[in-house]
This record gives sequence, C-alpha cells and structure tokens, in this order.
Amino acid sequence: DAGVIQSPRHEVTEMGQEVTLRCKPISGHDYLFWYRQTMMRGLELLIYFNNNVPIDDSGMPEDRFSAKMPNASFSTLKIQPSEPRDSAVYFCASSFLGAGSYNEQFFGPGTRLTVL
Amino acid sequence: QKEVEQNSGPLSVPEGAIASLNCTYSDRGSQSFFWYRQYSGKSPELIMSIYSNGDKEDGRFTAQLNKASQYVSLLIRDSQPSDSATYLCAVPPGYSSASKIIFGSGTRLSIRP
Repeated sequence: DAGVIQSPRHEVTEMGQEVTLRCKPISGHDYLFWYRQTMMRGLELLIYFNNNVPIDDSGMPEDRFSAKMPNASFSTLKIQPSEPRDSAVYFCASSFLGAGSYNEQFFGPGTRLTVL
Repeated sequence: QKEVEQNSGPLSVPEGAIASLNCTYSDRGSQSFFWYRQYSGKSPELIMSIYSNGDKEDGRFTAQLNKASQYVSLLIRDSQPSDSATYLCAVPPGYSSASKIIFGSGTRLSIRP
C-alpha cells in the first residue's frame, strides 16, 4: 500500500489567497483526520470524517477553514482567505476501526504551508 | 489538567543506555495507548500500541501500561543516535468509540555518542 498521500508537499502563498490541501487515505480505511502542527501549539486535530461524513469539526479554528470528503479516497482542506498565522504543517491521517483493529492512525507526509 | 501529559525534554541519553519516556493520561476509560516517533521535518510514525496492563516488547522497544496509575511509558534499550526524535504519547478518549486520539505534546529525545 502506498500509505496516506498528501499534496502539495510545500505551499507558499500570499495573505488573502485561497489554499487547498489534498489527501488520499489508505485504501479500506474508514476514518480520515486533518491535523495542524506548530511549535507553539503542537499537534492539533482540526476535523475528522467517518465514512466520508464529518463527525467532529470542533478543532477548526474559524470559518475561513473548511473540509470536504466527497468520496472514500479523497479529502480537501481549504483555507480562504489565508493569513500568516495559518502557517504550519498540515497532516492528514487515516485509520480503520473494526474487528482486530484499535483504530491506529497512519499519517501522511504533511503539507508545509507558508503564508506571507 | 491536560488530557495527555508528557515531559517536553529534551531528554539526553548516552548511546547504548536505556531511554525512558513517560506519559500520564486523565481519562480512566481509555482502553488503548499509542507511541509515535517523529523525526524533525517528518510526520508521526506509529511505533508501539498497548492495550493491556503490563509490558509489551518489540525489538529494542518496550511499552509499559499501568491503568490504575493512568501511566504509560516507553523504554528504548541500547539507544542509538537514530533514536533521536520526538516521541508522542497518544490516547483515545474512553467516552467515545475511540475514533479520535488525543496527542501529548511530545518528549524530545537526544542520544549522545
């Protein structure tokens, strides 16, 4: 399996621009998570989906952030408009909760976002 | 009180020694516990899972769980420079179907030659 795939790996944009981050989870996984990591705040859960349905978006910082999962193999995290304080590494992770599984999460390589 | 607490370090250990990383959690209902390793500039990588009280060994790594004390630890034997990384303790809340995980802030480990 290729693991969790994220794109782009690096994104540099100017304040006010729209940013879209993409994620392809591991095939067969039914949970997908979006995290943000900064030195100051550590690893923060933004939102997670189960079977393509958003379950908990309480970690989404504000209305500028939105996430979708149109099908089992693709999710997007969008920031519009972007601000310098959004600069961070954004990780996508996926997991499977079922017989013999304890919902271990597997992370993608991350997208390093810099907003100038 | 944070839900998952770790000493941020840095923890400096000589090569070949045992590195001991500790984690406490607040939710008595939690049933599964994970250790992730994160190298600088990389993503977290799952290295150990433990679900029952006691010890679980995997190569040079041993996870120890004490649910009564709400304490989980990771021991790394024969520490190598390649073990230098940040180690994240992760615990699903006990109230849910354990679908999400609460991560600690991580302990930075440095193995000195």
